[in-house]
This record gives sequence, structure tokens and C-alpha cells, in this order.
Amino acid sequence: DTGVSQDPRHKITKRGQNVTFRCDPISEHNRLYWYRQTLGQGPEFLTYFQNEAQLEKSRLLSDRFSAERPKGSFSTLEIQRTEQGDSAMYLCASSTGENEQFFGPGTRLTVL
Amino acid sequence: AQKVTQAQTEISVVEKEDVTLDCVYETRDTTYYLFWYKQPPSGELVFLIRRNSFDEQNEISGRYSWNFQKSTSSFNFTITASQVVDSAVYFCALSEARGRGAQKLVFGQGTRLTINP
Repeated sequence: DTGVSQDPRHKITKRGQNVTFRCDPISEHNRLYWYRQTLGQGPEFLTYFQNEAQLEKSRLLSDRFSAERPKGSFSTLEIQRTEQGDSAMYLCASSTGENEQFFGPGTRLTVL
Repeated sequence: AQKVTQAQTEISVVEKEDVTLDCVYETRDTTYYLFWYKQPPSGELVFLIRRNSFDEQNEISGRYSWNFQKSTSSFNFTITASQVVDSAVYFCALSEARGRGAQKLVFGQGTRLTINP
């Protein structure tokens, strides 16, 4: 049983560029979450999928952010026209039913 | 709105000391879950425990123990005989109850625990 995986682990980009992150949840987990964590803070919820349906989005998820989970398997999080304020660790978590969430290693984004 | 407060930003102790990490939460829900996660220097959040709001029994797992007191809205975490490997950032979190939406986690700001040899 492999855990949650995320790719890439690190991404450095220039302001204004688009970036896309991928999350592969634990295989039997139907729930998938994205969180963002800035330095010295706890993770903050961004969005949630149950299977392929995106059921909840945080106000933190501006219109530059979009997330998908085609076929209810892996998920992608895209940020368009990146800004320096987008620099953070982006964490993906998955769970089965309504049980505890298991987190991936995160993607650290640096916007120059 | 739900809120989790971890007032201790950093704690530093010498190995083998006992240490308690405080967590206070706010919620209007009558049923909810409480969690503790560990984030070692590698960055990956590691699940430690989940507690149902109906279950106020304290729990012990090896050197770890948790004290849930609904009357004071606290869910404190104690490490007994601390070890250097316990050094990490520890997060307390809260989620809505079963059957009520996304059950997204609301995290505290974390407590950085350093165990010195």
C-alpha cells in the first residue's frame, strides 16, 4: 500500500507563469483534499473532491486556481498567472469514507 | 466558525523530560472530531490520533497520551520520556462531524517541539 504521492516536490517559477501540481491519492480513497501551508502556519483548506465531484471550495481559492479530479483518481491543481503570494507548500490528502486524512509530502512552490 | 488555538509556538526540552502540548478549540457544532498531526523536518504530515467529541476518555499509545476535556474545549497532547526523534511541529486540528459535508480540517498554528540530547 503506497501512500499519497505528489509531483513535483519542488517548483520554482517566475511571476506570471502557470503551474500545475499532481496528487495521486491512496488507491481506495474516494475523498481528496488540497491544502496550502505557508511558513510558520498550519495548513489551510483549499478544496475537496468526493470521487470526481468537486464539492467544496474555500474563499482562498481565487479564480486563478483550478482543480480537477478526472475519473475520481488523481487530481491536479493549476495556478494561473502566479503571484509571489502564491509561494507556499501545497498539500494533498486523501481519505476513505469519513475517516482520518492521510497527507502526501507536498509540493513546495516558490514564485520569483 | 471553527477555530483551533495552539498558544505554545515553540517548546524546547531536554531528552527524557515529559512535555505537554496545549490545544484549545472553538466550534458551534455539538459533534465534531479532533486530531493531532506531526510534521517532521521532512515536511509530510503524519496522522497521530482522531477523537470523536462524544468520547472523552483519555488515550494512551506508548509514550503518547491525549487528554480531551470538553468542558474546557481542550485536547492536550503529552509525550512522556521525550526523545530526539520527537522533534517536529505538532498540529492540532478540528473537523465537522460525520455526515456533515467535507469534514475539512481546521488546523492550529502548530507547536514546534525541540528535544535536545
